[in-house]
Amino acid sequence: AQSVTQPDIHITVSEGASLELRCNYSYGATPYLFWYVQSPGQGLQLLLKYFSGDTLVQGIKGFEAEFKRSQSSFNLRKPSVHWSDAAEYFCAVAQGGTYKYIFGTGTRLKVLA
Amino acid sequence: NAGVTQTPKFQVLKTGQSMTLQCAQDMNHNSMYWYRQDPGMGLRLIYYSASEGTTDKGEVPNGYNVSRLNKREFSLRLESAAPSQTSVYFCASSTGQANTIYFGEGSWLTVV
Repeated sequence: AQSVTQPDIHITVSEGASLELRCNYSYGATPYLFWYVQSPGQGLQLLLKYFSGDTLVQGIKGFEAEFKRSQSSFNLRKPSVHWSDAAEYFCAVAQGGTYKYIFGTGTRLKVLA
Repeated sequence: NAGVTQTPKFQVLKTGQSMTLQCAQDMNHNSMYWYRQDPGMGLRLIYYSASEGTTDKGEVPNGYNVSRLNKREFSLRLESAAPSQTSVYFCASSTGQANTIYFGEGSWLTVV
C-alpha cells in the first residue's frame, strides 16, 4: 500500500541554523510530491511540489526539496531558519490518475531564538 | 483572494445532533475534498468530488454525507454526531487529478 513517512515528529533548531525535514514514500510509479506548512490555527499552505523534471525544486519562503528516486525520499531543506518558520510541515504524495493524496503525519518545527 | 472558504470555524455539538459544514471555492476548480485532521494521524480523506455532480468516498466516510451543490460549493453533513467525530475539518479544492490542492482554514468541531 502507498504510504508517506515523516520519521521526525518534532524537530528543534536554533534560529539561523540549517534545517532538513525528512520524507519517505512508498509508491510504485513516479509520484507527485508536495510539502505543505501549517501554522497554528491555520490551513495548509503549499511550500513546493515536484511533478517531473529537475529533481531539486525551489519553493516559497526560501525552502527547497530534492527528489531522490533511489531513496524514495523528498526531503525539505532550508539553509537558515527564521523564527517565523515554526510550524507543522506535511509531506504528501498524489497518485497519478487519481484523486487520492496521502499525507504524512507531520513534523512540528520549533525554532529557538 | 478568498480561495477556499469554510464555515463555521468553530462548533460544539452534543452527541446525536446534526450539522453541516459549508465550503466554497472561487478558483473555478473542478475537484473538491473534505479531510479531517487528528493528532498524530495526518490528514485523512472523508469524501471527494471529482467534478460537479459526482461524489466518492474517501478513507473515512462513515458517519458523513456530502453534497456538491454546484461547482463552487461542497458541503459535509454529520447526521448524528459522535464524540469520535471531534476533529479539525478541512475543505480543499484542485483543478483535477494529482494537482496541487488548496486548503481552507479549517473548522474545529467538538462533539460532547
